[in-house]
Amino acid sequence: DGGITQSPKYLFRKEGQNVTLSCEQNLNHDAMYWYRQDPGQGLRLIYYSQIVNDFQKGDIAEGYSVSREKKESFPLTVTSAQKNPTAFYLCASSPRGSYTEAFFGQGTRLTVV
Amino acid sequence: AQSVTQLGSHVSVSEGALVLLRCNYSSSVPPYLFWYVQYPNQGLQLLLKYTSAATLVKGINGFEAEFKKSETSFHLTKPSAHMSDAAEYFCAVTYNQAGTALIFGKGTTLSVSS
Repeated sequence: DGGITQSPKYLFRKEGQNVTLSCEQNLNHDAMYWYRQDPGQGLRLIYYSQIVNDFQKGDIAEGYSVSREKKESFPLTVTSAQKNPTAFYLCASSPRGSYTEAFFGQGTRLTVV
Repeated sequence: AQSVTQLGSHVSVSEGALVLLRCNYSSSVPPYLFWYVQYPNQGLQLLLKYTSAATLVKGINGFEAEFKKSETSFHLTKPSAHMSDAAEYFCAVTYNQAGTALIFGKGTTLSVSS
C-alpha cells in the first residue's frame, strides 16, 4: 500500500539532546512537509521541500533542521536549540504543485523529559 | 498573505443534528481550500477540497462545503451528525503558486452527544 510512514510513533528525549524523526513516503510525491501541532494552535509549518536537495524554512524553523537526499525521505532533526520541543509532529507529502492536497503520516509524539 | 480563520474552537451537537463548522479565508488570489479531519493521535485525512470547479463540494462521510467568494467562506456541513463524527476538523488554504504549502486554521473540535 502506498503511504507515508513516520517513526517512531512516540519518542522521549532528554533536555539538551538532538533527536531525529523519520518520514518516508512511497507515493512518488515530489513535495514533502513537516508540521508541528500544539493544542489550540492548529498545524504550523516547520520546513518543506519541493524537490530533492532543496528545502525552505516555514513559519517556525528555528531549532529544527532537515535534509532531502532522497525523494522518498525527509527526516526532521529537533535540536537542543528548540526551546519547547514537546509536541505532535506531522509529516506530509503532495504531488508537485501547491494546489493539490497533502497526504499525512500518522504523526510522532515527542516528549521532552 | 494567506490565512484561515475557523470560528469556534469547539462545537457540540446532538446525534442527528446539523453540523456546521465555519471557515473564512483571506487571500489576494484565487484560493484552493481543503477540509481535513483528525482523530486522536492520528494524522489528518482529507474530507473534501475546492479547486475552482463546482462551488458546492461533496466529500466523504456525508460532508459537504460551499465556496462563497463574496463571503470569503468555505463552511463545512453535514445534515445529520453521527457519533463517529466526533473529531477535530481543520480548514486549510493554498493557492496556485509553486513553492507554497498548505496553511491551516487552528481547528474545531466537534463533540457529538447521544
